[in-house]
Amino acid sequence: GAVVSQHPSRVICKSGTSVKIECRSLDFQATTMFWYRQFPKKSLMLMATSNEGSKATYEQGVEKDKFLINHASLTLSTLTVTSAHPEDSSFYICSARATDASGYTFGSGTRLTVV
Amino acid sequence: RKEVEQDPGPFNVPEGATVAFNCTYSNSASQSFFWYRQDCRKEPKLLMSVYSSGNEDGRFTAQLNRASQYISLLIRDSKLSDSATYLCVVNMQPRGSTLGRLYFGRGTQLTVWP
Repeated sequence: GAVVSQHPSRVICKSGTSVKIECRSLDFQATTMFWYRQFPKKSLMLMATSNEGSKATYEQGVEKDKFLINHASLTLSTLTVTSAHPEDSSFYICSARATDASGYTFGSGTRLTVV
Repeated sequence: RKEVEQDPGPFNVPEGATVAFNCTYSNSASQSFFWYRQDCRKEPKLLMSVYSSGNEDGRFTAQLNRASQYISLLIRDSKLSDSATYLCVVNMQPRGSTLGRLYFGRGTQLTVWP
């Protein structure tokens, strides 16, 4: 079945630094990548949607200059949390939709802790 | 109003019990419906799709009522391994978009005890 590899699975960084999260579709082409954030005991909240080769579309309230998304190829999308602060500590998950829109495949998530 | 609403629980049931989760969605144009399971600190995994005719997968039965915009999940003969958070998920096409996206409920936490 379709697999999305997400790295790193866990990262601890100092406040003010930047963190890059990668999601790769291993055996299919991901035309669209969704980036979610989940706080404890809360649901997944969509942060942004990116289509390969285009600028990402951000949800209301999500700062595009803080959460940089790159989707330069059909198999790789990255989310960079710039100048991270403790309130950015969360569980970040990507979800890829294939070119044929056959379904959604989730990455395994990245737990970010900013200290 | 949130697109998908569900009772967060928690539900604590003994092994062998039957438990039901409910969910409502706000947009009547919603296209497809799912239940996902999420274990602690893990990504959501698709449990089953939900159809208007109702569908069953082993001990799990899902129902969809489009008229009342209501989705349910029934788990029979609960196992310890069923302990997880169950997410009600709706696929909707936002206005102006040609493709849909998923909307997640906040999840219902289930603990099955021996």
